[in-house]
Amino acid sequence: DTEVTQTPKHLVMGMTNKKSLKCEQHMGHRAMYWYKQKAKKPPELMFVYSYEKLSINESVPSRFSPECPNSSLLNLHLHALQPEDSALYLCASSQGTGQGGNQPQHFGDGTRLSIL
Amino acid sequence: AQSVTQLGSHVSVSEGALVLLRCNYSSSVPPYLFWYVQYPNQGLQLLLKYTTGATLVKGINGFEAEFKKSETSFHLTKPSAHMSDAAEYFCAVREPMDTGRRALTFGSGTRLQVQP
Repeated sequence: DTEVTQTPKHLVMGMTNKKSLKCEQHMGHRAMYWYKQKAKKPPELMFVYSYEKLSINESVPSRFSPECPNSSLLNLHLHALQPEDSALYLCASSQGTGQGGNQPQHFGDGTRLSIL
Repeated sequence: AQSVTQLGSHVSVSEGALVLLRCNYSSSVPPYLFWYVQYPNQGLQLLLKYTTGATLVKGINGFEAEFKKSETSFHLTKPSAHMSDAAEYFCAVREPMDTGRRALTFGSGTRLQVQP
């Protein structure tokens, strides 16, 4: 069982729709991440939140909008997506310390997103 | 900048045979190293990690890896493959003092097939 829960597991949406992906963890982790994974490729980092503040945005298009309402929750708001945005979206969390990150990231099972 | 190279995008072994998945890294300092496994339609699960200390690291499901600084390698091994080991394996690296980024750099992945 994964300790990082992502909902929904599958999402099909049109290019004009607005939807949100949700991620929740109760491990007390203070760093949370969004990754995008295309088929047969490694995960690509999109955003990093550290202590509920956005610390990294890997030049992600504005049609993806992250939100961290509290230390346990991470959302990814989607609007006007393109077919090439179809992918597996993974959320991860890790302990947020100043020690350089020797703690591993824990991943959810992802949301498989299809854009029609 | 750090990088990871996984030699062999596909590895096929017979059930009961030795599993060897190769990972070489490039980093200005000895990094933190991780192996993750991804089963179909799932997220990434941590197999093992190396941060400091003993260079031979034991993980879950009978896997282990050895950090060899002189060879800049962190190869993953398992003495006897099981059908359930068939999955995608990712090697990942993070530089110890990368406190701002806290993100992993992934290799391209190796798909392990286990033949009966």
